[in-house]
Amino acid sequence: QVQLEQSGTEVKMPGASVKVSCKVSGYTLTETSIHWVRQAPGKGLDWMGGFDPEDDERIYAQKFQGRVTMTEDTTTDTAYMELSSLTSEDTAVYYCVMGLLSENNYWGRGTLVTVSS
Amino acid sequence: SYELTQPPSVSVSPGQTARITCSGDALAKYYTYWYQQRSGQAPVLVIYEDNKRPSGIPERFSGSDSGTMATLTISGAQVDDEADYYCYSTDTSDNHRGVFGGGTKLTVL
Repeated sequence: QVQLEQSGTEVKMPGASVKVSCKVSGYTLTETSIHWVRQAPGKGLDWMGGFDPEDDERIYAQKFQGRVTMTEDTTTDTAYMELSSLTSEDTAVYYCVMGLLSENNYWGRGTLVTVSS
Repeated sequence: SYELTQPPSVSVSPGQTARITCSGDALAKYYTYWYQQRSGQAPVLVIYEDNKRPSGIPERFSGSDSGTMATLTISGAQVDDEADYYCYSTDTSDNHRGVFGGGTKLTVL
């Protein structure tokens, strides 16, 4: 049974960074690719980035370029998404997604990040 | 930047057919994926690669593609289908960066 377990709720000050984790079970990270999607309160889904197996590289949405870093620890099958220079507009639920372009598509339950002074 | 355009809302009565469209230039070159998101829940994939249905998704959900427009069709919509629906694709001219449509609120009543 595939599960993506995300880290808990975060509250950050403006200008800070946040690092969200996503532990995969039932699969190994070497077999799949992880993407990150966020959703601001009352808003739509926003693709942040992920691993592109066709080009064997990580790609980020241009709006987050320079502020986001996605990494993976294959020894623990855990993916990470770190977002820096936070503003109130980064307040959102952050989801990790396995197999975004596949029938074998699994989402974490989401991590709420609140940015507030 | 690349965009996918969806109508903000669609409304049907139970048993009717609901059609949700998604338009974008790159849809002619790459697949469309459709996600259902019920209130307070994570999205669920209902259609992948334009017209394929994952296991466990009811047959009333179908997808089609015509050039730069993709359509999600729910035949005989049920009250339980009321949710937000998002299309997703990639921009092959921009290093396969992904993009979601703005979402469509489907009301069944």
